[in-house]
Amino acid sequence: QVQLVESGGGLVKPGGSLRLSCAASGFTFSDYYMSWIRQTPGKGLEWVSYITGSGRTIDYADSLKGRISISRDNAKNSVYLQMNSLRAEDTAYYYCARGVPPVDWGQGTLVTVSS
Amino acid sequence: EIVMTQSPATLSVSPGERATLFCKTSQRVSSNVAWFQHRPGQAPRLLIYGASTRATDIPARFSGSGSGTEFTLTISSLQSEDFAVYFCHQYNTWPWTFGRGTKVEIK
Repeated sequence: QVQLVESGGGLVKPGGSLRLSCAASGFTFSDYYMSWIRQTPGKGLEWVSYITGSGRTIDYADSLKGRISISRDNAKNSVYLQMNSLRAEDTAYYYCARGVPPVDWGQGTLVTVSS
Repeated sequence: EIVMTQSPATLSVSPGERATLFCKTSQRVSSNVAWFQHRPGQAPRLLIYGASTRATDIPARFSGSGSGTEFTLTISSLQSEDFAVYFCHQYNTWPWTFGRGTKVEIK
């Protein structure tokens, strides 16, 4: 069965960086778009970024452009989100998701940006 | 970006009753709308895609309809496990966006 397991969340100070990882299993990883989606009580769900199966096409939410970078390693069945210059408003649960629309989601990893 | 407006914000329904949830988009999105169920502590679950196609293993009591800018999710007879938050999502135009959700609670 499909499993998506996020890791790398935690408490970080404003201006800091984090790298989120998502380990996937149960499907042919390179066949699928992979995405990061975040959820906050204030703004609800926001699509952060996606990357195509080959990794050739990527896009980012305007609110995060220039501060984040998505990548994938198809040999390791993993997708990553590098987040820099973090702000308090980036505090959220970050979900890894498979496909568009997202057929499967991970359980999420909490990122808290606070001094 | 396309704004997804869901209504009502909260829907109080008795078990066995029908629930109808609405989603309106600020621009036409063809039929590129999906619906998700989200229970506390669980990953969101895809229910409907293409506005009206049930995802794998989704019970027939869940149905979706609509196109253009107005979409509906109907749960024909609510079961205990259906009390959750439901949100709609458009994947027609980047950035793909979500509604704020409708909470279906026990009356």
